[in-house]
Amino acid sequence: DAGVTQSPTHLIKTRGQQVTLRCSPKSGHDTVSWYQQALGQGPQFIFQYYEEEERQRGNFPDRFSGHQFPNYSSELNVNALLLGDSALYLCASSRGGASYNEQFFGPGTRLTVL
Amino acid sequence: DQQVKQNSPSLSVQEGRISILNCDYTNSMFDYFLWYKKYPAEGPTFLISISSIKDKNEDGRFTVFLNKSAKHLSLHIVPSQPGDSAVYFCAAGQAGTALIFGKGTTLSVSS
Repeated sequence: DAGVTQSPTHLIKTRGQQVTLRCSPKSGHDTVSWYQQALGQGPQFIFQYYEEEERQRGNFPDRFSGHQFPNYSSELNVNALLLGDSALYLCASSRGGASYNEQFFGPGTRLTVL
Repeated sequence: DQQVKQNSPSLSVQEGRISILNCDYTNSMFDYFLWYKKYPAEGPTFLISISSIKDKNEDGRFTVFLNKSAKHLSLHIVPSQPGDSAVYFCAAGQAGTALIFGKGTTLSVSS
């Protein structure tokens, strides 16, 4: 079992550019959540996808969007990048309706915006 | 406004001693609390949780205590081991909503 995988590992972009991050959930999981972890902060919930639809959303602007594919993998897109978007982006997967403790995190994608 | 606070950014403990990590929260509607451990270059991994209807949950060397009246929870690690050195996040949630994480506490266990 490969667990939750994320790509790329690291990414450097400049202000104003757009970025796409990818996540493959753990085998058997159908729900994907995305988190942003800024330096010195805890993970902050961006949104959650289930059955290819956004089910919940945190306090993030519309520049942050996502998608879930039929195979349950997911993408996080960020448009018009700002310096403040520099962070570790974490993906977590779970089964629909699972408890919080059944959520598994990937290693994250480190995004640097220059 | 932070709903989940970990006021100690770091904690240093000797191997074999007890590690106590603290977490405070402000939202009395939280019904589930969790602790995650994070090593560098890895995602957070679930450690232990407690429901709001309990005041203690134990799993091996790890025990979580919940004091609802004080809106405070703590994680006790006994005995501490060098492999426990990591960042520990406290998180809280309520049914149907996303988890809210604290800023984390970096635990260093020296041998």
